[in-house]
Amino acid sequence: SQQGEEDPQALSIQEGENATMNCSYKTSINNLQWYRQNSGRGLVHLILIRSNEREKHSGRLRVTLDTSKKSSSLLITASRAADTASYFCAPSNDYKLSFGAGTTVTVRA
Amino acid sequence: DAGVTQSPTHLIKTRGQHVTLRCSPISGHKSVSWYQQVLGQGPQFIFQYYEKEERGRGNFPDRFSARQFPNYSSELNVNALLLGDSALYLCASSTRLLNTEAFFGQGTRLTVV
Repeated sequence: SQQGEEDPQALSIQEGENATMNCSYKTSINNLQWYRQNSGRGLVHLILIRSNEREKHSGRLRVTLDTSKKSSSLLITASRAADTASYFCAPSNDYKLSFGAGTTVTVRA
Repeated sequence: DAGVTQSPTHLIKTRGQHVTLRCSPISGHKSVSWYQQVLGQGPQFIFQYYEKEERGRGNFPDRFSARQFPNYSSELNVNALLLGDSALYLCASSTRLLNTEAFFGQGTRLTVV
């Protein structure tokens, strides 16, 4: 299916460390997006990477996309307590976003 | 600029009742989508409207319906509520129909008792 599957389900790191999470999907896509959700409220868009792009940066975020392996990764560098949240990938080839269950990241002070 | 606004923020309903959730998109956005997020899971697509027409529907029963108004605001209606409809309902708006980032509201937390 188009739905993304994030791995790991949960991640606990020390402040200042890097956090890496992965996303896999099964069908072809036009783009893949990453979102963050704090405390079960609204989602915040982080990055959109198109199928013809391999890597994209935004501040402390780095996203890679490998369409041959149908996978993507999100790297958060120099993590902060405010990065504690759930992170979702959403592959898309049409009008809808197909979210997985997400990765819950906890940044310890 | 105001973001996506949803009302109400919380709602408690009894099984069998009907509920209407409302969403106002960001000014200038013509696309509105609705998602259901059950606790512990990712959001699941329910509907998308663009230029007041339904453009997509997810795998939800006919008890779920929606519409978009001339000012691009939207309503999600759920009839004959079941306990399993308890969830966070998220509305998202975007500028285009396809391949673009979505801006989410804070959601409506619906509890069915």
